[in-house]
Amino acid sequence: EIVMTQSPATLSVSPGERATLSCRASQSVSSKLAWYQQKPGQAPRLLIYGASTRATGIPARFSGSGSGTEFTLTISSLQSEDFAVYYCQQYNDWPPGDSFGQGTKLEIK
Amino acid sequence: EVQLVESGGGLVQPGGSLRLSCAASGFTYSNYWMSWVRQAPGKGLEWVATIKQDGSEKYYVDSVKGRFTISRDSAKNSLYLQMNGLRDEDTAVYYCARAAWDTSMVFDFWGQGTLVTVSP
Repeated sequence: EIVMTQSPATLSVSPGERATLSCRASQSVSSKLAWYQQKPGQAPRLLIYGASTRATGIPARFSGSGSGTEFTLTISSLQSEDFAVYYCQQYNDWPPGDSFGQGTKLEIK
Repeated sequence: EVQLVESGGGLVQPGGSLRLSCAASGFTYSNYWMSWVRQAPGKGLEWVATIKQDGSEKYYVDSVKGRFTISRDSAKNSLYLQMNGLRDEDTAVYYCARAAWDTSMVFDFWGQGTLVTVSP
């Protein structure tokens, strides 16, 4: 079973600054890594898949990088609407199993 | 516009049963794998179950195997989750989610969720 670990648990950043969120897999998932954003009371929204491909309608300030076991989500200039919880998810496993990280809460500094 | 609308949540006693439904619209439902993902209060996301387009393949997280059954009805554009033997730890918001492509666990559209509370 692949375990996904996100860090930090909480990240405090000022609007307009850059945020860097990390996700580590316990074994290689190649580039089969997705990122989701979840705001309070809302369903998750797909941001990134294939480690670096933005989903439809996702602003260019969101970027993903990495492969193998180490991944990063970068938000280049934080907007007020970006403060949320972010989850990484591996989809290298099939049949599927536990796939989500525990989340990183991005809060306003 | 893709829409997924869950229903059927509520309060149930431990050991009880509940059937969740998800009504899909705005896309060709029969072309997509579908899944249920849950989120316990204040916790992270947990994949629960996945079903192939024709229902011939189904997968479950270990903690629900033998208790939950995922199914679908393409004539009604609907996804279901029959939950039996409910436990306190099954308390969560249950989301219906569409897989972005075949045998994929990437979920490109989600419903708004339905809350299941298991309590005496």
